[in-house]
Amino acid sequence: SQKIEQNSEALNIQEGKTATLTCNYTNYSPAYLQWYRQDPGRGPVFLLLIRENEKEKRKERLKVTFDTTLKQSLFHITASQPADSATYLCARPSGSARQLTFGSGTQLTVLP
Amino acid sequence: DAGVTQSPTHLIKTRGQQVTLRCSPKSGHDTVSWYQQALGQGPQFIFQYYEEEERQRGNFPDRFSGHQFPNYSSELNVNALLLGDSALYLCASSPFGGAAPPSGADTQYFGPGTRLTVL
Repeated sequence: SQKIEQNSEALNIQEGKTATLTCNYTNYSPAYLQWYRQDPGRGPVFLLLIRENEKEKRKERLKVTFDTTLKQSLFHITASQPADSATYLCARPSGSARQLTFGSGTQLTVLP
Repeated sequence: DAGVTQSPTHLIKTRGQQVTLRCSPKSGHDTVSWYQQALGQGPQFIFQYYEEEERQRGNFPDRFSGHQFPNYSSELNVNALLLGDSALYLCASSPFGGAAPPSGADTQYFGPGTRLTVL
């Protein structure tokens, strides 16, 4: 089956450090991957999209990479802050590319 | 500019009952998708509506049905509720229902969700 997997283990890091979250996919090659942030009891909020022909995409303190050889996307938050604490979701297109299949998310806690 | 809105915020039902959840998409958006998110899991696609018709459907039973109105708002109906239907129900809208998105990617704008508890 076409899976998208995120490390379900919660990630705790110290403020100011770089957080790195992983998204792995198997048995297919997505045209792009999307990353979303979700706060408790709220809907996901779109952060970044990276296409299969892009190695890296940046937005302020956020950076996403896409390695089609490793079948993996890495999501980095540099100079992390307690306000970055949330669950981060990776998503791929599916169906006719008009729907998203999400990973289970990684819960990030930035400790002050 | 209002984003995606959903009602109600919370809902408690008992097994066997029926529930209707409502969603208003972001202004200018014509496509509405519904997702179910169990605790600790990512959202799972239920179905998508465009031009008042169900365009795509995920792996959910017929107990889950929906509707889209001419103003693009949408309802999700769940019949014969089961305990396992307890979840956060998310509505998402996007603006490119009639054509491929210029970027080639359909970014979803999510509402705050409705928390459904089935007892």
